Amino acid sequence: NAGVTQTPKFQVLKTGQSMTLQCAQDMNHNSMYWYRQDPGMGLRLIYYSASEGTTDKGEVPNGYNVSRLNKREFSLRLESAAPSQTSVYFCASSRSDLANTGELFFGEGSRLTVL
Amino acid sequence: GENVEQHPSTLSVQEGDSAVIKCTYSDSASNYFPWYKQELGKRPQLIIDIRSNVGEKKDQRIAVTLNKTAKHFSLHITETQPEDSAVYFCAAKPGGYSTLTFGKGTMLLVSP
Repeated sequence: NAGVTQTPKFQVLKTGQSMTLQCAQDMNHNSMYWYRQDPGMGLRLIYYSASEGTTDKGEVPNGYNVSRLNKREFSLRLESAAPSQTSVYFCASSRSDLANTGELFFGEGSRLTVL
Repeated sequence: GENVEQHPSTLSVQEGDSAVIKCTYSDSASNYFPWYKQELGKRPQLIIDIRSNVGEKKDQRIAVTLNKTAKHFSLHITETQPEDSAVYFCAAKPGGYSTLTFGKGTMLLVSP
């Protein structure tokens, strides 16, 4: 099992460019998440998908869109990148209810720099 | 929404000492409190968690305590080792949601 796989691992963009971060999990998890990590700010939730066919905003959704393509895949799109979106992005997955089933599994992260 | 405060932001200890990291949360309906460890350049990984119906949980050298009345929970690491050096995040699951709100993290440095 690969767990949670996200691509690309590194990306440099110019302001205004668009890109999509891809995430896939092979653990048959229902829920998937996108977090961003910035120095001193912890992990902040951008969007999540509690189950296939649903998506919801998290704490910092502005400037992002998501697509839950199927149960395995959850993509994050930046339509017009801004320097403030320079960050490390983590995709994660879990079974349906965190409190009952515990663990959030993270991908390796994608480091995005917007110039 | 839920707000999680974590202290201290950095913690330096000597090998063999104990380390304590504290978190407070705002949503009294929060019912699940995990701790994640992130080594440099790696992904966060769950090390221990506690549910709201439990006051304390131990796993070898690590333990977590929860005080629901005061809305705070703590991570205790005993007999620290250099490999414990990492960033530790606390988190809380707000009632009725399937998401986690994370604290800002504590960088723990264990010196030999």
